[in-house]
Amino acid sequence: AQTVTQSQPEMSVQEAETVTLSCTYDTSESDYYLFWYKQPPSRQMILVIRQEAYKQQNATENRFSVNFQKAAKSFSLKISDSQLGDAAMYFCAYRSQLTGTASKLTFGTGTRLQVML
Amino acid sequence: GAVVSQHPSRVICKSGTSVKIECRSLDFQATTMFWYRQFPKQSLMLMATSNEGSKATYEQGVEKDKFLINHASLTLSTLTVTSAHPEDSSFYICSALYVGPYNEWQFFGPGTRLTVL
Repeated sequence: AQTVTQSQPEMSVQEAETVTLSCTYDTSESDYYLFWYKQPPSRQMILVIRQEAYKQQNATENRFSVNFQKAAKSFSLKISDSQLGDAAMYFCAYRSQLTGTASKLTFGTGTRLQVML
Repeated sequence: GAVVSQHPSRVICKSGTSVKIECRSLDFQATTMFWYRQFPKQSLMLMATSNEGSKATYEQGVEKDKFLINHASLTLSTLTVTSAHPEDSSFYICSALYVGPYNEWQFFGPGTRLTVL
């Protein structure tokens, strides 16, 4: 079974600065998807960014970008120009591409991000 | 993104009673929905995969008879917690799978906070 590890329970960043959240995963599969989800205090899960494993190019979405290192099984999230609204729990997630896995997501334990004024 | 609703958002019940939680995809049809459970300050744990017109697939360790899932239409899945006890108190989140021509996306509901007295 796949596992997703987030080794940073909490992180903090100054407003307008850059922060990187770490995620590693374990899998024997070659094709899969990786995601970063944000869960603000409202508890609504929001997709931040998604990466297909077969793509070498790192995904970017405005201020959010990833550093995907397939060989190292690492998938970090960089948030640039941090804003107060970025404060939330961030979850890294894995999804297999194997038939029969029904698109299930495996989540990491989360990193709580605080944004300081 | 697509909208998924959950009802109720909060419910308080007495021990031994049953509680039904609804998950609806409002602007797309979903043959597959997922039910997660999230304890305070913890990650999302998949409980079961809800399949329209067929039986749900439960994750290991989840009691089928306690957590009844019914996916009777393409836009509605229900989770019934039967004979609820205080240890069932948790945050329950559903998601609906949107299948596009090239990709699949899981859209999450806002969650239901269950408190069993």
